Amino acid sequence: NAGVTQTPKFQVLKTGQSMTLQCAQDMNHEYMSWYRQDPGMGLRLIHYSVGAGITDQGEVPNGYNVSRSTTEDFPLRLLSAAPSQTSVYFCASSGGWSTEAFFGQGTRLTVV
Amino acid sequence: AQSVTQLGSHVSVSEGALVLLRCNYSSSVPPYLFWYVQYPNQGLQLLLKYTTGATLVKGINGFEAEFKKSETSFHLTKPSAHMSDAAEYFCAVSEVSRTGFQKLVFGTGTRLLVSP
Repeated sequence: NAGVTQTPKFQVLKTGQSMTLQCAQDMNHEYMSWYRQDPGMGLRLIHYSVGAGITDQGEVPNGYNVSRSTTEDFPLRLLSAAPSQTSVYFCASSGGWSTEAFFGQGTRLTVV
Repeated sequence: AQSVTQLGSHVSVSEGALVLLRCNYSSSVPPYLFWYVQYPNQGLQLLLKYTTGATLVKGINGFEAEFKKSETSFHLTKPSAHMSDAAEYFCAVSEVSRTGFQKLVFGTGTRLLVSP
């Protein structure tokens, strides 16, 4: 099983550029989410979705947009990249309350 | 809001020694608690979780954790460290959003170093 697939694995952006981080899961999970990981801060929730067409903001949503048109896909859009968005981004999916969250391999983003 | 505190950003042990990684949480309701492991350049993998029932939880790779409500703790242990245990470990508590989503609130992580 592929599980949770994130693309790209690495990306360098210039300040002000936009891009989309892709996330797809093949486990038919309703819940999907995006986290960013920064040194000494653990993982922080950016946006999440409880099903197709339903999204909500997490702890650090500013500068990011999401949409969920299908169960499988949950892309994260950076509207105008800033150096503060340099981070490692993880997508996760889970089947519901108290169940295991499965994480992708991460996207390492550098904004210069 | 829930929060998680992991004491010690780095823990060093010798191969064969006891591993103890500390986690304390704050929660206004009975929590669901998790330990995840992250190997270099990889995503997070679930080690174990506590939801309800037995307070001593066994996970993969010989790890276990004990939920102690009176101490609001969920420390991770392994009797004998192996070189392959070197990784970063994250404790997390779940929090339900207003839309019913299970949000994971993570600690800042503890890097486990294992020396020969």
